[in-house]
Amino acid sequence: KQEVTQIPAALSVPEGENLVLNCSFTDSAIYNLQWFRQDPGKGLTSLLLIQSSQREQTSGRLNASLDKSSGRSTLYIAASQPGDSATYLCAVGPRGGSEKLVFGKGMKLTVNP
Amino acid sequence: GAVVSQHPSWVICKSGTSVKIECRSLDFQATTMFWYRQFPKQSLMLMATSNEGSKATYEQGVEKDKFLINHASLTLSTLTVTSAHPEDSSFYICSALRQDLTGEQYFGPGTRLTVT
Repeated sequence: KQEVTQIPAALSVPEGENLVLNCSFTDSAIYNLQWFRQDPGKGLTSLLLIQSSQREQTSGRLNASLDKSSGRSTLYIAASQPGDSATYLCAVGPRGGSEKLVFGKGMKLTVNP
Repeated sequence: GAVVSQHPSWVICKSGTSVKIECRSLDFQATTMFWYRQFPKQSLMLMATSNEGSKATYEQGVEKDKFLINHASLTLSTLTVTSAHPEDSSFYICSALRQDLTGEQYFGPGTRLTVT
């Protein structure tokens, strides 16, 4: 059974820092991996999607990497801003055609001005 | 990016009544949609997989007779919470699967249900 872990559960940093958010998964046979952002009381916003054949994806100040063999993905946020404060969720899409995402519990990020 | 809407965004109902929540994919067709619920400060819990033209597939522990799912078209899935109770109060989120090579899911903004 696939399990997704995000550590730490919360992080508070001053504005301007470069951040590293970690996600680990137990079964390397994945179809894809998505990083989401969730603001309080809101739905999920997809940030980056990495296919199993890819090693990284970039969008603006965000860069996500994937290492299937070690069961890890990392989301880098460059030059963090207070507007980046949110909960970040990592989700793995398993092989087998079920397309059911397996979510981590998320990491609550607070960027202080 | 693709857009998924939910309606209503929030609803308050009395215990014992039924509530219907709609999930629409606005700019793409989705044969598969998913329904999640989320309790405060918790991650998303998958409730069921909604398949256009066929019965939904429910996760273990989710009562199919209580949470009725209908996926009547390629752009609309509905979740009806029947005989709602206060413990059904939660944040319900749907997602639509983009049926292309990426397999990306797009999420709706969520519906806050409060049962009094």
